[in-house]
Amino acid sequence: NAGVMQNPRHLVRRRGQEARLRCSPMKGHSHVYWYRQLPEEGLKFMVYLQKENIIDESGMPKERFSAEFPKEGPSILRIQQVVRGDSAAYFCASSQGELAFFGQGTRLTVV
Amino acid sequence: DAKTTQPNSMESNEEEPVHLPCNHSTISGTDYIHWYRQLPSQGPEYVIHGLTSNVNNRMASLAIAEDRKSSTLILHRATLRDAAVYYCILRKGGGADGLTFGKGTHLIIQP
Repeated sequence: NAGVMQNPRHLVRRRGQEARLRCSPMKGHSHVYWYRQLPEEGLKFMVYLQKENIIDESGMPKERFSAEFPKEGPSILRIQQVVRGDSAAYFCASSQGELAFFGQGTRLTVV
Repeated sequence: DAKTTQPNSMESNEEEPVHLPCNHSTISGTDYIHWYRQLPSQGPEYVIHGLTSNVNNRMASLAIAEDRKSSTLILHRATLRDAAVYYCILRKGGGADGLTFGKGTHLIIQP
């Protein structure tokens, strides 16, 4: 049973470009969570999704950020018109029940 | 999510036991106590969780106070690979909500 898979592991984007981060949950898991970790800081919750539904997006910036978890395929975190402040590690977790498991993250660098 | 309080950092010697404390005085009856750790440049890793009784697994032990207002993560024999930030998190049973990370305890292991 493969763990939570995130890709790419590293992503470099120029200011103004779009970043797409993908997360494949563990097999059988229908709950996906996205977190952001700025350099030298803690993990901040962004959004919680179930298949085809956004359950809680209280941690998502109001503009430029969006997330989806379609019926088929991975969950996508999309950042439009990236700025330098978006540079961070983005982690995805999946759960089905009490335990949540994390991927290894995507490290986004905006140049 | 109820709040937890942990020391910012702790230091221990290799091959000695480590006791990482966590206070959660506002815990509710349905909150489970979860511990995760994050090694440098990696995603958070599940360590252990419990509700009322002490728990043991291959990684660690979790000792929960009788009133559940505090708990202690015990690493029986620390190795250099245990150097990480350890997070104590409360999560409602059923696990539908996300995990709220605090600052955690930065565990330093001296050779």
